[in-house]
Amino acid sequence: DTGVSQDPRHKITKRGQNVTFRCDPISEHNRLYWYRQTLGQGPEFLTYFQNEAQLEKSRLLSDRFSAERPKGSFSTLEIQRTEQGDSAMYLCASIRDTGNTIYFGEGSWLTVV
Amino acid sequence: GQNIDQPTEMTATEGAIVQINCTYQTSGFNGLFWYQQHAGEAPTFLSYNVLDGLEEKGRFSSFLSRSKGYSYLLLKELQMKDSASYLCAAHTDKLIFGTGTRLQVFP
Repeated sequence: DTGVSQDPRHKITKRGQNVTFRCDPISEHNRLYWYRQTLGQGPEFLTYFQNEAQLEKSRLLSDRFSAERPKGSFSTLEIQRTEQGDSAMYLCASIRDTGNTIYFGEGSWLTVV
Repeated sequence: GQNIDQPTEMTATEGAIVQINCTYQTSGFNGLFWYQQHAGEAPTFLSYNVLDGLEEKGRFSSFLSRSKGYSYLLLKELQMKDSASYLCAAHTDKLIFGTGTRLQVFP
């Protein structure tokens, strides 16, 4: 257990439905990252926050994806109108600004049927 | 552009030594992470190199050459449980990952 929590761990949804994932980082970590990983690939960057500010969003991220970190603590990642290609593991990670270790949560598996 | 390269697959024998290489091209480079990832699980931290040179941590060591854009992870006294994917990641303002090296350890 790294201290980064993600919920739900598994989600099966029908195509076209909306899904939301939550990440609770380690409490003193002010940077929070979202990644997506498919089978046989490394994690792919989606977006990251410095406290409550979203500093960067991948160009690969379509308008169906949105992320928030309203109070600089937990974060949510919402996928609207899910497609089968969204099936992946969604990973959250956090780090202190002055830290040298980025910790990952256990991931949220999404299956779109 | 930003690019991380590492071999896709490697095999080794229990008790042996294996070196997994990684080359990178990024802007704003801070350091190089190595993570281990077992199938179906999240990545777990192994090492972080900021300065050139070798850092040893038990059976695992990691090396960095910033001038060459090169790193390697050295695993000694391999055990069956070391069968996993090993991810190289360049630390800029975020982590940029390679595709990972799948290591299979045979008895």
